[in-house]
Amino acid sequence: DTGVSQDPRHKITKRGQNVTFRCDPISEHNRLYWYRQTLGQGPEFLTYFQNEAQLEKSRLLSDRFSAERPKGSFSTLEIQRTEQGDSAMYLCASSQGLYLTGELFFGEGSRLTVL
Amino acid sequence: AQSVSQHNHHVILSEAASLELGCNYSYGGTVNLFWYVQYPGQHLQLLLKYFSGDPLVKGIKGFEAEFIKSKFSFNLRKPSVQWSDTAEYFCAVNSVSGNEKLTFGTGTRLTIIP
Repeated sequence: DTGVSQDPRHKITKRGQNVTFRCDPISEHNRLYWYRQTLGQGPEFLTYFQNEAQLEKSRLLSDRFSAERPKGSFSTLEIQRTEQGDSAMYLCASSQGLYLTGELFFGEGSRLTVL
Repeated sequence: AQSVSQHNHHVILSEAASLELGCNYSYGGTVNLFWYVQYPGQHLQLLLKYFSGDPLVKGIKGFEAEFIKSKFSFNLRKPSVQWSDTAEYFCAVNSVSGNEKLTFGTGTRLTIIP
């Protein structure tokens, strides 16, 4: 499968713990995006990278959230001191540029449950 | 800031019925418009997109959408639905100002009864 892959698919953690999600984009895509989706809502933009540079961050991305994309390949999203409100599906997507192709390729998501 | 409204939260249709899902956006400038679909157990995927030109765009699986600028709308249509169209449908907008952010609506769950 040469699509976007995310790991883990499901993470259950206790409040206050740190969690990290990994995203492997489609190899030729230089743009990588993180979105968050809660029940009954559409995906909400969190941040995006062009190669290794993080170019935009949403105000939803509090200081407990950090994302990296070392070497412009895979990306990690870390949430520190998790809260119950962080429970959501975290979606990763990649593209060659929204303006070039108009298409984001999404992974299947990492579901976070904070107890 | 841009926003997207999808007024139909859950639509139930019989096979062969015609479909129209509403999408309205709020943004003062020029936009690109998208419909994404998520089939049960699968990832989000692009159904169709509008950048410019003919306001009637055709996508995969017989879907089409019409951009009506005066109404800020981009409704999705299909003349005859199939059971396999059961999915969640999301409308999304991107402002043509250099950013890479997609703003999604809350989605419409479509259930097709065989």
